[in-house]
Amino acid sequence: LAKTTQPISMDSYEGQEVNITCSHNNIATNDYITWYQQFPSQGPRFIIQGYKTKVTNEVASLFIPADRKSSTLSLPRVSLSDTAVYYCLADFSGGYNKLIFGAGTRLAVHP
Amino acid sequence: EAQVTQNPRYLITVTGKKLTVTCSQNMNHEYMSWYRQDPGLGLRQIYYSMNVEVTDKGDVPEGYKVSRKEKRNFPLILESPSPNQTSLYFCASRRPQGAGTGELFFGEGSRLTVL
Repeated sequence: LAKTTQPISMDSYEGQEVNITCSHNNIATNDYITWYQQFPSQGPRFIIQGYKTKVTNEVASLFIPADRKSSTLSLPRVSLSDTAVYYCLADFSGGYNKLIFGAGTRLAVHP
Repeated sequence: EAQVTQNPRYLITVTGKKLTVTCSQNMNHEYMSWYRQDPGLGLRQIYYSMNVEVTDKGDVPEGYKVSRKEKRNFPLILESPSPNQTSLYFCASRRPQGAGTGELFFGEGSRLTVL
């Protein structure tokens, strides 16, 4: 199972772009990189998933270089409501698997 | 409405008194799992189930039991709770699909305190 490493915390200001990098040196061939967002007292919520190169949806972009040993979640023009904990995990294709979430990155967005 | 429902949401109990946290999903998902969340440790998987009657240990299974007799339900059982099981618990489910892994849907959480 690939273990991921993320910064413990980050600070930003409203309107800025935030990039959170995740390291996954021993990612397996069949692993997908997946990001979840969690607000206090709520369950995590899926944000985005990718295998390689770039994936974009209505809330975020995910950049994965060719070697797949790291990935970067990009949140464009953050607002106060983006203050949350963000988890990166390596998720085995097929989805029937043990999952390791890690401690996540606590993002604080300031006015 | 598609959802994962956990009960109870809050519980205070005493050491050694058996308890069950229920989890039910109405999305016909094959995969279900339990997590505990503690300050500074993020989410840690306790058990997961790939389908009815198929369960496996996650990262921190000690002190917990699960069962999967029906597709929609996946209860978490603490046979003899101890104070170190005081935590916030989440249940989640998903339908693995094609390329990728499928999105995990989480319940609202169950805050358990063991005195």
